[in-house]
Formats: sequence, structure tokens, C-alpha cells
Amino acid sequence: EDQVTQSPEALRLQEGESSSLNCSYTVSGLRGLFWYRQDPGKGPEFLFTLYSAGEEKEKERLKATLTKKESFLHITAPKPEDSATYLCAVRSNFGNEKLTFGTGTRLTIIP
Amino acid sequence: NAGVMQNPRHLVRRRGQEARLRCSPMKGHSHVYWYRQLPEEGLKFMVYLQKENIIDESGMPKERFSAEFPKEGPSILRIQQVVRGDSAAYFCASSPSASTVNEQFFGPGTRLTVL
Repeated sequence: EDQVTQSPEALRLQEGESSSLNCSYTVSGLRGLFWYRQDPGKGPEFLFTLYSAGEEKEKERLKATLTKKESFLHITAPKPEDSATYLCAVRSNFGNEKLTFGTGTRLTIIP
Repeated sequence: NAGVMQNPRHLVRRRGQEARLRCSPMKGHSHVYWYRQLPEEGLKFMVYLQKENIIDESGMPKERFSAEFPKEGPSILRIQQVVRGDSAAYFCASSPSASTVNEQFFGPGTRLTVL
């Protein structure tokens, strides 16, 4: 069974203080690893897809990286508007099209 | 260029009533997925549908829950005889047809409260 574990559960940073969120996964043949952002009371907003170890993608202050066992979401010089819950999900070669999600990291950026 | 639309956004039902949740996918998308998010838990896959077909319902409870995606109109997730444990946020996602792009785009969700 596919599993996704995210850490830490919650993270508080000062504005401008860079850090990383971790997503560890176990999957029967990775077909894609996905990062989403979710604001309170809203649906997940797509950020990145990573397909193979060594791949990296960037968007503004966010950079996602992938190894064979985990993914990191690096946040550089964050701003208060980056406060949200960040979700990681995987799709396997054998799970049809479903995504298996972790429980997320709740990020708070303090001005 | 509307995104995934869900309605209602909030739904209150008493135990034993029926709940109907609707999802209109993004324009050009013919794959629809339903997920449930319980408080303090991650999103859990329920069902994957294409037009007029259920492709994967492995995450759907065997009783009281059903889903459809007719040729015309929105996808509907139906919960019969709701119980308090059904209280959750239900999210619909969609993805393009005949595409190698794998991203699923989510709607704003329907928050179901069972009294």
C-alpha cells in the first residue's frame, strides 16, 4: 500500500527565514509526486509535479526536489502570504489514477 | 476560464437524510475524482470516473455512497442515510482527457455537516 509521511506537522518561521519541508514516500513504482498548497477553507492548489529522482522544479520562493525515497519543498526568504498547509501526494504505477496524500505541513510565516 | 466548480459549498443534513454533492470539471476535462478530508486527516481517495463510467471506486464505502458522471451535467456524489461520521470536506478534482499530463486540479470543496 502506498504511504506518504510529511514532517514536520507544523512549522513557524520568521519572515525571511528559509527552511525545508519533508515528504517521505513508499510506493509501488512512482509515476509522479505532487505538491499542493491548501489555504484554510479552500481546495488544494497545484504547485509541482516531479517524476524521477534528481528532478527539481522552482516557482517563485519555492523549490521542490526528489530522491528515490523523499521529496523536499524548500522555501527561500518566505513571506507571510506563504502561510498555508503544504500537501504532498504520490501516484503509483498500480493505483490507477488516484493520489495518495500525506497529512500536510502547516506553515506559518510571522511578519 | 473557470476552474473546477462544486456546489453547494456548505451542506447541513440531519442523520438519515440524503446528501447530494455536485462537481463540474474544468472545461475540456473528462476525468473526475472525489476525495474526502476528515478533520486533522489527509485527503483520502474515494472514486475516479470518466464520462458515464466508474473507473476505480476502491476508496468508496460499500454502503450508502454512490457516484456518477453522466454524459451531460455535473458529476454527483450521493450519500444516503447520512451519519455523523460522514461530516467532512468533500473535494472534487479533474484532469484532462487523452493527455500525459497527470495533474489533478481541485475544486473549493463541499463541507458537509451532519447534525
